[in-house]
Amino acid sequence: NAGVTQTPKFRVLKTGQSMTLLCAQDMNHEYMYWYRQDPGMGLRLIHYSVGEGTTAKGEVPDGYNVSRLKKQNFLLGLESAAPSQTSVYFCASRRRGLGGTEAFFGQGTRLTVV
Amino acid sequence: GESVGLHLPTLSVQEGDNSIINCAYSNSASDYFIWYKQESGKGPQFIIDIRSNMDKRQGQRVTVLLNKTVKHLSLQIAATQPGDSAVYFCAEIQNNAGNMLTFGGGTRLMVKP
Repeated sequence: NAGVTQTPKFRVLKTGQSMTLLCAQDMNHEYMYWYRQDPGMGLRLIHYSVGEGTTAKGEVPDGYNVSRLKKQNFLLGLESAAPSQTSVYFCASRRRGLGGTEAFFGQGTRLTVV
Repeated sequence: GESVGLHLPTLSVQEGDNSIINCAYSNSASDYFIWYKQESGKGPQFIIDIRSNMDKRQGQRVTVLLNKTVKHLSLQIAATQPGDSAVYFCAEIQNNAGNMLTFGGGTRLMVKP
């Protein structure tokens, strides 16, 4: 099992450019999450999804959009990148029901906006 | 090097000693509290969870204590090993808030040989 896979692992963007981060999980999990982690900070929830076709805002959603067209994929989009969006982005998934408190994380995407 | 943990509080312990990592939470409506471990350059990894109607849960070498009166969560690691060096985060799941999984502040644990 690959678990949770994030693509790409590294990216440098110019201010104003757009990009999409892909998260794929092969565990048939219902819930998926996108976080950002800045130096010296914890993980802040950007957006999340409780199932295919549904998304919801987290703690810091501004400047980001998401889509969950397929259960196994959760896409995070930056429409017009800003230097303040320089961060490490983590995707996670977990299953519904008993034992579903354990979330599985990807390896992260390190994004730099110049 | 890894930039995570540069400004987080640090707990330094001697190998073999017990470690206690603390976390204060604010949401009384959370259903589960979880501890995660994050090693340099990796995503967080689940350690142990506790349901909100419990006050103690034990795992292998780890114990989580929940004090709802003062909204305090702690992680105790017995016989701390060099491999325990990492950043530790507490997290909450709120089932009545759309199953959000949110993280609290972290603590960097450094184990001295």
